[in-house]
Amino acid sequence: EVQLVESGGGLVQPGRSLTLSCVVSGFTFDEFPMHWVRQAPGKGLEWVAGISWNSYSIGYVDSVKGRFTISRDNAKNSVYLQMNSLRREDTALYYCAKDVGKLVPHYGMDVWGQGTTVTVSS
Amino acid sequence: QSALTQPASVSGSPGQSITISCTGNSSDFVIYNLVSWFQQHPGKVPKLIIYEANKRPSGISNRFSGSKSGNTASLTISGLQAEDEADYYCCSYATGNTGVFGGRTKVTVL
Repeated sequence: EVQLVESGGGLVQPGRSLTLSCVVSGFTFDEFPMHWVRQAPGKGLEWVAGISWNSYSIGYVDSVKGRFTISRDNAKNSVYLQMNSLRREDTALYYCAKDVGKLVPHYGMDVWGQGTTVTVSS
Repeated sequence: QSALTQPASVSGSPGQSITISCTGNSSDFVIYNLVSWFQQHPGKVPKLIIYEANKRPSGISNRFSGSKSGNTASLTISGLQAEDEADYYCCSYATGNTGVFGGRTKVTVL
């Protein structure tokens, strides 16, 4: 069974840091790009960051550039999102998602985790 | 900055067909067929229903179809059913190894 399990969310004060993790199973992890997508309460989906199978290609939405870092460890079947200088507007449910395309991102995410909630508040 | 525009809401009666549009403002949207569509029911995880503009993942009903022409992609739901009532999002490749989602379209089955 293909599975993505996120962890690391929680309540954090503005300006602090948090690292999200996503452990995957059930598919050949090192063949697929991965993404982080977030959804603020009552709002739509927002693509946050993506990483290619070999970590050579990485991208971020403008609002998190310079604050968030996506990375992956293919030996551990894991993808991470390091979030620094958190702001109230980063409050959201963060999903880890597998790209449908092999090697090259197709921006179609065919497998999603259940998400982990990040709340930025003092 | 790349952006995708969707209508806020679309409605139809059971059995009818509806179409949701997704208009992109970048040349990359026009050049590449990297447009996908997602369905999300309240409180649920998004579900991929179309990728690469017109491909359906395994297990997705053929009542869902996608197309793209120029700077507009479209999702058509045929034979509308009560279970199709949900939020729908388009997503595409944007410039510089980034992605972008459109604003949600709420589909109501009358």
